[in-house]
Amino acid sequence: ETGVTQTPRHLVMGMTNKKSLKCEQHLGHNAMYWYKQSAKKPLELMFVYSLEERVENNSVPSRFSPECPNSSHLFLHLHTLQPEDSALYLCASSQASLAGGEGELFFGEGSRLTVL
Amino acid sequence: QQQVKQSPQSLIVQKGGISIINCAYENTAFDYFPWYQQFPGKGPALLIAIRPDVSEKKEGRFTISFNKSAKQFSLHIMDSQPGDSATYFCAASLYNQGGKLIFGQGTELSVKP
Repeated sequence: ETGVTQTPRHLVMGMTNKKSLKCEQHLGHNAMYWYKQSAKKPLELMFVYSLEERVENNSVPSRFSPECPNSSHLFLHLHTLQPEDSALYLCASSQASLAGGEGELFFGEGSRLTVL
Repeated sequence: QQQVKQSPQSLIVQKGGISIINCAYENTAFDYFPWYQQFPGKGPALLIAIRPDVSEKKEGRFTISFNKSAKQFSLHIMDSQPGDSATYFCAASLYNQGGKLIFGQGTELSVKP
C-alpha cells in the first residue's frame, strides 16, 4: 500500500447508526487531517492531528468524533448524523515541522457518506 | 476574514487554448497559496504553489500569477489538453500552518478536443 488509503469508499447509514471511517498513511508523515467536501462548497477543514495530538477542531459538531491512535492511523467516528452531513470525507497527511514549511497535503480518495 | 473566493465555477476551453482561474483572499496574513487538482473519484493533489515574495511561478504549462496589493492570484494553464480536465481548487494558509488550508469553491475545467 502506498500513499493515503481510506476505507470504506462508500457508506450509507441511517440517522441512528454508529459507524467509523478509517484512514491510513504510508508516507511517514506526522500530521493528519479530516476535510469535508460537499458539492459546490469549498473543502472544509474539520480536524488536525499533529504528532498524535489534536491541534485543531474547527467548530465541528460533537456527532463527529476523531481518533488518532498513532501517526499512521486516523479515524472519524460517526453517530446520530443528519442528512446534511452527507458528503465526501477526505483524509490527508503532511510532514509538519516546528520550523514551518509548506506541509504539502497528500489526500486519500475519500469516503462518500450518505445519511438517510 | 478567512474566505478565499474562486471564479469561474466552471470553464470550457478548446484544446490548445489558455485556461485562467482566479482567486481572491481577504486575510493579509496568508503567505502560502497552493493550487490543487482533483480528478473524478480521486483526492485533490498539489499542482503548484507560490509564496508572496514572488509575483509569478511557472512549472511546465502551469503558471501562478500573484498580485499582493490586490490580494489576488490566478492559475494559467497554457496549451490546455483534454487530460487537464479536472476540478481545480485554490487555497491559502499561513506558511507555518501549511496543512490548515482555506480552500476556494473549485473550478470544473473541461478541455474539448
